[in-house]
Amino acid sequence: DQQVKQNSPSLSVQEGRISILNCDYTNSMFDYFLWYKKYPAEGPTFLISISSIKDKNEDGRFTVFLNKSAKHLSLHIVPSQPGDSAVYFCAASASNTDKLIFGTGTRLQVFP
Amino acid sequence: NAGVTQTPKFRVLKTGQSMTLLCAQDMNHEYMYWYRQDPGMGLRLIHYSVGEGTTAKGEVPDGYNVSRLKKQNFLLGLESAAPSQTSVYFCASSFTPAGTGGETQYFGPGTRLLVL
Repeated sequence: DQQVKQNSPSLSVQEGRISILNCDYTNSMFDYFLWYKKYPAEGPTFLISISSIKDKNEDGRFTVFLNKSAKHLSLHIVPSQPGDSAVYFCAASASNTDKLIFGTGTRLQVFP
Repeated sequence: NAGVTQTPKFRVLKTGQSMTLLCAQDMNHEYMYWYRQDPGMGLRLIHYSVGEGTTAKGEVPDGYNVSRLKKQNFLLGLESAAPSQTSVYFCASSFTPAGTGGETQYFGPGTRLLVL
């Protein structure tokens, strides 16, 4: 049972426009959410996170929104740049647990 | 600091062969993790360790064993490789547990394994 779902395997966006990546979760115990970015032949790297006590967290061009009632989070990248082309994983964890549960990933391509 | 390193980068095995993947971190992290990444499946946790001498099962532990004899090293073993274990394996480490929200996991570059 996939507890963290990314229903869009891929997304293509023009440079300068907004990229919106979505993630849904089923476990109501999750209270911490992260986004990781992965380039080919490299390990994932942390991008941005949000705690369940917030509904928005912003870091430069990246903003994560959390809708707890809908069990949905999204990552907004604006403006999108060609260097943002990568696979993006969302992940979730519950308090006092040792594990992150990852989604299946969304491949973002930003074209000129 | 090298961060998290993985050895080897790529390996081809025949069905039934055994091998050990090595993960090393120089950040003095307590927590270490082994994941596998497969197309359409995302990253799935195989085993993890909350400190030297400890190990625990993740989501997909069958067919794998692990050891954490030294704090900086986390070994993943395949006793009898199967084609279903063809995957990219990532090691990660963190200073605090995933659920604390304070520290993220740092990943190694991955090991690509092909089992024929």
